[in-house]
Amino acid sequence: GENVEQHPSTLSVQEGDSAVIKCTYSDSASNYFPWYKQELGKRPQLIIDIRSNVGEKKDQRIAVTLNKTAKHFSLHITETQPEDSAVYFCAASSSGNTGKLIFGQGTTLQVKP
Amino acid sequence: NAGVTQTPKFRVLKTGQSMTLLCAQDMNHEYMYWYRQDPGMGLRLIHYSVGEGTTAKGEVPDGYNVSRLKKQNFLLGLESAAPSQTSVYFCASSPVDRADEKLFFGSGTQLSVL
Repeated sequence: GENVEQHPSTLSVQEGDSAVIKCTYSDSASNYFPWYKQELGKRPQLIIDIRSNVGEKKDQRIAVTLNKTAKHFSLHITETQPEDSAVYFCAASSSGNTGKLIFGQGTTLQVKP
Repeated sequence: NAGVTQTPKFRVLKTGQSMTLLCAQDMNHEYMYWYRQDPGMGLRLIHYSVGEGTTAKGEVPDGYNVSRLKKQNFLLGLESAAPSQTSVYFCASSPVDRADEKLFFGSGTQLSVL
């Protein structure tokens, strides 16, 4: 069935360093790939998304890249700050126009000051 | 405009008890979803609805039922709670009928089944 694998499960970086989280998906019909950030005890919130007709998208310190041939996409955070510490989830749209998103397992990012 | 509101925020049940979680959205969204979040497993879709009066199964539907009698409300029911249903439950809504739109999440319900 449809599956999204996310790595690593935990990531610790020094403030100012870059962080990269990678996801692979199984459904070749997926065409929408959002990333959600969840701070401790809070609800997930969309931080960036990319559609299948685009290879890269940037928004200030965050960027997402997509390789449809290899069926993987990545989140890049540059100049990390302590407030970037959170759990990050990738997701891929499910085929069949159902509105479903399949989420990865999540990455806990810790940015050390 | 409150967005997506979930009630209750916390609940403790004994095995075999039943309960209903309520999700309400005031954004006139067509699509609504129930996810559960467990450590190391991400967000898994339980059931979803593409409009008033419709429901469909997600990835982990067993042990749950849902209803969408009104467009703004999506109810999740546990008929006979089991310890495996201990989890954090999130409701979400989306404005369009494709998967390429932002999900608006509620604040979550922490459920413990003893």
